[in-house]
Amino acid sequence: DTAVSQTPKYLVTQMGNDKSIKCEQNLGHDTMYWYKQDSKKFLKIMFSYNNKELIINETVPNRFSPKSPDKAHLNLHINSLELGDSAVYFCASSQGPRGGYTFGSGTRLTVV
Amino acid sequence: EDQVTQSPEALRLQEGESSSLNCSYTVSGLRGLFWYRQDPGKGPEFLFTLYSAGEEKEKERLKATLTKKESFLHITAPKPEDSATYLCAVQQDSGYSTLTFGKGTMLLVSP
Repeated sequence: DTAVSQTPKYLVTQMGNDKSIKCEQNLGHDTMYWYKQDSKKFLKIMFSYNNKELIINETVPNRFSPKSPDKAHLNLHINSLELGDSAVYFCASSQGPRGGYTFGSGTRLTVV
Repeated sequence: EDQVTQSPEALRLQEGESSSLNCSYTVSGLRGLFWYRQDPGKGPEFLFTLYSAGEEKEKERLKATLTKKESFLHITAPKPEDSATYLCAVQQDSGYSTLTFGKGTMLLVSP
């Protein structure tokens, strides 16, 4: 069983479209994250949720809207996609904000 | 602002040729320093957490050490399967702080 699973693995879409990425973890963790890895492989935090509550929102455009229906799921919706949104998006989870992170395998988003 | 700088950016070794990767950091109150391994097309995989200066941790051919300003990942007698990008991250000791990552060191071990 995959601990942190993301879907889809690949996403190719046109500029201006709206898309969603889903993440689920079966570790029983209560904290989940979205990270963005750019073309230079730099991983940067976007959002953090603890028990379905948004606790960290880094300077991310408001076209990005995370949603956590329960503590096992954290989805990312992106409106009006731009070329610069092309990247790999990683979901991660931890037991509390101080626990070790377990990452998903990533979603490669390509905006054309 | 927390900062993590990793060097070198890339490292090519022959099988069996030991070396070290460096992670320099600045953080106001360190809760932990983390090492991850990332293979192409996959998410980072946890290796170690170090909490205080002087601490060392080992796993197979890898050994991580920590000082107040930097951490080293020593690779002893590497094998081709150790080829990957190694990422260092720090977590500040305050509230809901998240991991701040360096840009990684891409390691290639040739047979």
